[in-house]
Amino acid sequence: EDQVTQSPEALRLQEGESSSLNCSYTVSGLRGLFWYRQDPGKGPEFLFTLYSAGEEKEKERLKATLTKKESFLHITAPKPEDSATYLCAVRFLNSSASKIIFGSGTRLSIRP
Amino acid sequence: DTEVTQTPKHLVMGMTNKKSLKCEQHMGHRAMYWYKQKAKKPPELMFVYSYEKLSINESVPSRFSPECPNSSLLNLHLHALQPEDSALYLCASSQDNGDIQYFGPGTRLTVL
Repeated sequence: EDQVTQSPEALRLQEGESSSLNCSYTVSGLRGLFWYRQDPGKGPEFLFTLYSAGEEKEKERLKATLTKKESFLHITAPKPEDSATYLCAVRFLNSSASKIIFGSGTRLSIRP
Repeated sequence: DTEVTQTPKHLVMGMTNKKSLKCEQHMGHRAMYWYKQKAKKPPELMFVYSYEKLSINESVPSRFSPECPNSSLLNLHLHALQPEDSALYLCASSQDNGDIQYFGPGTRLTVL
């Protein structure tokens, strides 16, 4: 069964305390993995796209990596404004049709 | 302009009402999407339009009726909804089907 799982569900960190969020997937025919940030009551905001194992992308305090089975979103020295829900989404081919599945997200809270 | 706009921001309707949600983008994107998102859950794909044609309908009840009048506009017509249809409805667009999706702010729908 095609599935995307994110862990942990929720994460509370002190400001400056680095950590990682995980997105594991079991799909065939991966065509891309996307990371989004979502603030309460707003639409998801695009962060990164990764296409192949070994690929890495960075933006400010965030770094995304990809292996054949999972992706990590590393957050270095986070600030309170990094508090949000982080969603990963996987695009894959299913019976020649392009599909996308979102993970359930990680709710990140950064305490000052 | 990298913005997807949605109107209205909030909508309260009775179960016998007919209403429409609107979405607009001027990025020249050829794919547009409707998602439904319940509280603390990931977005669930409802419909995909690619080059103004409906390409994916994820078994959505017929009380939801999408329409794509042109490449910049996407509507979602609502009729005889149920209270369980209350959710945040998100519109997104991408250059092509499966590319990076850019989301609007959403319409918060409440069905009484």
